[in-house]
Amino acid sequence: AQSVSQHNHHVILSEAASLELGCNYSYGGTVNLFWYVQYPGQHLQLLLKYFSGDPLVKGIKGFEAEFIKSKFSFNLRKPSVQWSDTAEYFCAVNRGMNTGFQKLVFGTGTRLLVSP
Amino acid sequence: GAGVSQSPSNKVTEKGKDVELRCDPISGHTALYWYRQSLGQGLEFLIYFQGNSAPDKSGLPSDRFSAERTGGSVSTLTIQRTQQEDSAVYLCASSLELAGDTQYFGPGTRLTVL
Repeated sequence: AQSVSQHNHHVILSEAASLELGCNYSYGGTVNLFWYVQYPGQHLQLLLKYFSGDPLVKGIKGFEAEFIKSKFSFNLRKPSVQWSDTAEYFCAVNRGMNTGFQKLVFGTGTRLLVSP
Repeated sequence: GAGVSQSPSNKVTEKGKDVELRCDPISGHTALYWYRQSLGQGLEFLIYFQGNSAPDKSGLPSDRFSAERTGGSVSTLTIQRTQQEDSAVYLCASSLELAGDTQYFGPGTRLTVL
C-alpha cells in the first residue's frame, strides 16, 4: 500500500534557524506531492505542490521543496524560520491524473515549534 | 469566493446515537473528499465523490459509516450507532477536477462520543 513517512515528529528551532523536514513516499509510479500546514486553531492550508516539471518548487511564506525521484523524497525547506511558522506540517501524496486513485495519503505530521 | 464550510463545528453525542456531518464544497468543485483526523491514526481518507457518485469508499471504517452527495454539491457523512473510537475531527475537502488539482480543506467537525 502507498505510504508516506515523515521522520521528524517534533522539531524545535530558534528564530532565523534553517528548516528541513523530511518526507519519503513508497509508491513507484507517477505521483503528485503536497505539503500542507495547520497553524494552531486553523484548518489545513496548502503550502506548495509538485505535479511535474522543475523538481524545485516554491511555495508561500518562503517555503520550498525539492522532489528527488531517485530517493522517493519531497523534503520541505525554509532558510530562516519565524515564530509565526509554529504549526504542524503534513506531507501528502496522490497518484498521477487519470488513474482513479485520487485520495491523499498523508504522513503523520511534524510539529514545529519556533522559539522567539 | 467562500471556502469549504462544514457544520456543525463541534458535536458531542452519546454512544449509540446517530450523527450527521455536513460539508459545503467550494462552488464549482466537482470532487469532494472526506478525511478523519485523530490522535492515534493521523489523517485518514474516508471517501471521495466525483459529482454525486462515490468511486472510492475504501476508507470507510465500517458499515456504520455512509455518505451521500446530492446535486453535485453538499455532502453528508452519517455515522450510525456511534462508538467512542469514532471521536475525531472529520475534514471535508473539495477540488476542481481529480488528482491534478489541489484539495482545499474545510475547518472540520470535531466529534466527541461520550
